[in-house]
Amino acid sequence: SQQGEEDPQALSIQEGENATMNCSYKTSINNLQWYRQNSGRGLVHLILIRSNEREKHSGRLRVTLDTSKKSSSLLITASRAADTASYFCATDEGGGSYIPTFGRGTSLIVHP
Amino acid sequence: GAGVSQSPSNKVTEKGKDVELRCDPISGHTALYWYRQSLGQGLEFLIYFQGNSAPDKSGLPSDRFSAERTGGSVSTLTIQRTQQEDSAVYLCASSLIGQLNTEAFFGQGTRLTVV
Repeated sequence: SQQGEEDPQALSIQEGENATMNCSYKTSINNLQWYRQNSGRGLVHLILIRSNEREKHSGRLRVTLDTSKKSSSLLITASRAADTASYFCATDEGGGSYIPTFGRGTSLIVHP
Repeated sequence: GAGVSQSPSNKVTEKGKDVELRCDPISGHTALYWYRQSLGQGLEFLIYFQGNSAPDKSGLPSDRFSAERTGGSVSTLTIQRTQQEDSAVYLCASSLIGQLNTEAFFGQGTRLTVV
């Protein structure tokens, strides 16, 4: 079963706009990570947020975590065409589970 | 090496044949993961190696799938008697320690097509 589920499944925006993607999960977690995937190949790590953190920034990326709602959001500000990719959240299942579990991802298209 | 290396990058095989997929993790990374991804889908966990511990095989879809990791480094995923539904991209990842508070580094994957 998938622990994390991203929403929306697809997002199409114009360059310069902000893009927001959400991730919901089912069980308590230790940490949550966001990854990016270009062209259906390898994933690249973007940002990690720990369960005791509420917000984290990295460049144009902003991640929030609400453990009471079991959800996270990834905001990409001032999007660029090069941000076009699929974005995945990865969670564990808390406790001693160290296996990152991925959702189906959000496919983001940024039009120049 | 500089990153996780997977080979081959593409593999076309006939139904019923066996295939071996190779993963060279980043040197020193004790945790190694195999996932597969069907077209337009998320990543499906297959198997997890951590150091010298017994691997977590809970994600392997059938007994046609097996994997080993020799010397705590290179890993091979073997699929016996391939079926068309095995067609997918097989992704390998490694991390420094097997905990989610460290990032996983992914290879570029092996695209397997069973015809």
